[in-house]
Amino acid sequence: AQTVTQSQPEMSVQEAETVTLSCTYDTSESDYYLFWYKQPPSRQMILVIRQEAYKQQNATENRFSVNFQKAAKSFSLKISDSQLGDAAMYFCAYRSAEPWEYGNKLVFGAGTILRVKS
Amino acid sequence: DTEVTQTPKHLVMGMTNKKSLKCEQHMGHRAMYWYKQKAKKPPELMFVYSYEKLSINESVPSRFSPECPNSSLLNLHLHALQPEDSALYLCASSQDGGTSSGANVLTFGAGSRLTVL
Repeated sequence: AQTVTQSQPEMSVQEAETVTLSCTYDTSESDYYLFWYKQPPSRQMILVIRQEAYKQQNATENRFSVNFQKAAKSFSLKISDSQLGDAAMYFCAYRSAEPWEYGNKLVFGAGTILRVKS
Repeated sequence: DTEVTQTPKHLVMGMTNKKSLKCEQHMGHRAMYWYKQKAKKPPELMFVYSYEKLSINESVPSRFSPECPNSSLLNLHLHALQPEDSALYLCASSQDGGTSSGANVLTFGAGSRLTVL
């Protein structure tokens, strides 16, 4: 079974600075998807960024970028120019490329609480 | 419309009550999900509906009963719950449950906060 590990329970960053959240995963599959979700105090889970394993290029969404190291099974999230609104719980997640009917599901890490200081 | 709407936002119920949580989306998504989330923990999958049919039940106790009346609506019926069932219940949807790129993007609702007394 696949597992996702987030080794940083909490992180802090000064407004306007850069922070990197770590994520490692374990899988024997070659085709899969990786995600970072953000959950602010408002509770809604919001997709931040998605990476397809067969793509070597790291995904980027505005101030958010990932460092995807497939061989090392590492998928870190870099937030540049941090803003107060970035404060949230961040979850790394894995999903196999197999369809749901094969028992495939989204596997979440334990989460990292990000605090942004003004 | 790019939202998943969940009602009610908050629910308090006794252990003998019967209540329901409702989830609605109008994005044309054909897969819908129920997750349970405890404080500061990741969401745990409960049920998956694909094309209005239950495709995954993660061994959830029968006091939770899902229902998918149509492709836009997902209900979770609650009966004889225990205090440990108190949690945030999240609904999500995706384009489908297959292998397309869109199948892998889940859109979540804001959740229903359930308290069982």
